[in-house]
Amino acid sequence: EPEVTQTPSHQVTQMGQEVILRCVPISNHLYFYWYRQILGQKVEFLVSFYNNEISEKSEIFDDQFSVERPDGSNFTLKIRSTKLEDSAMYFCASRDKRVGEQYFGPGTRLTVT
Amino acid sequence: RKEVEQDPGPFNVPEGATVAFNCTYSNSASQSFFWYRQDCRKEPKLLMSVYSSGNEDGRFTAQLNRASQYISLLIRDSKLSDSATYLCVVNPVYRGYNKLIFGAGTRLAVHP
Repeated sequence: EPEVTQTPSHQVTQMGQEVILRCVPISNHLYFYWYRQILGQKVEFLVSFYNNEISEKSEIFDDQFSVERPDGSNFTLKIRSTKLEDSAMYFCASRDKRVGEQYFGPGTRLTVT
Repeated sequence: RKEVEQDPGPFNVPEGATVAFNCTYSNSASQSFFWYRQDCRKEPKLLMSVYSSGNEDGRFTAQLNRASQYISLLIRDSKLSDSATYLCVVNPVYRGYNKLIFGAGTRLAVHP
């Protein structure tokens, strides 16, 4: 069964450093998303991406964040200068043409020290 | 008012019990509804979509009441493996890009 994959599973970084989180969505999917979940809190939408551009972003997704689909398979989330409050689980998700159902990757746990 | 509200639980039930979770949502224009399951420190996994007519998948039954903006999930004959957090998820379709809005989840613990 096709699945979304993410690397790395855990990333530790120092405050102020740049990090890139990587995702490989399901191959025939066209819509891509990043969500985050701070420990003990709910899953929050960050950004959606379609046709090589951002289609919607949340208030969390400020100028420190960017997304890119550099080739036909990878989808990346970059945080330019990490803050302590960026520590969270980051989930990538993808969807095919049908409305609604999104499939999530296993997540990257980001720890900012 | 929160966009999606759920009772946080935990619900502690014995194996074989029937348990029901409720959820309310604030955006009356929401189009799609789901229940996801999340195990500790894992990704949300789609359990089932929720349709207006109600739908069933094995031991799981989901109901939607659009007038009351209310969604429910019923689990019959609970198994130990059902222990998880159940996430009520709403899709306020906007320009077709379909971000998901998650509730905080209801924790279920099934004991022998």
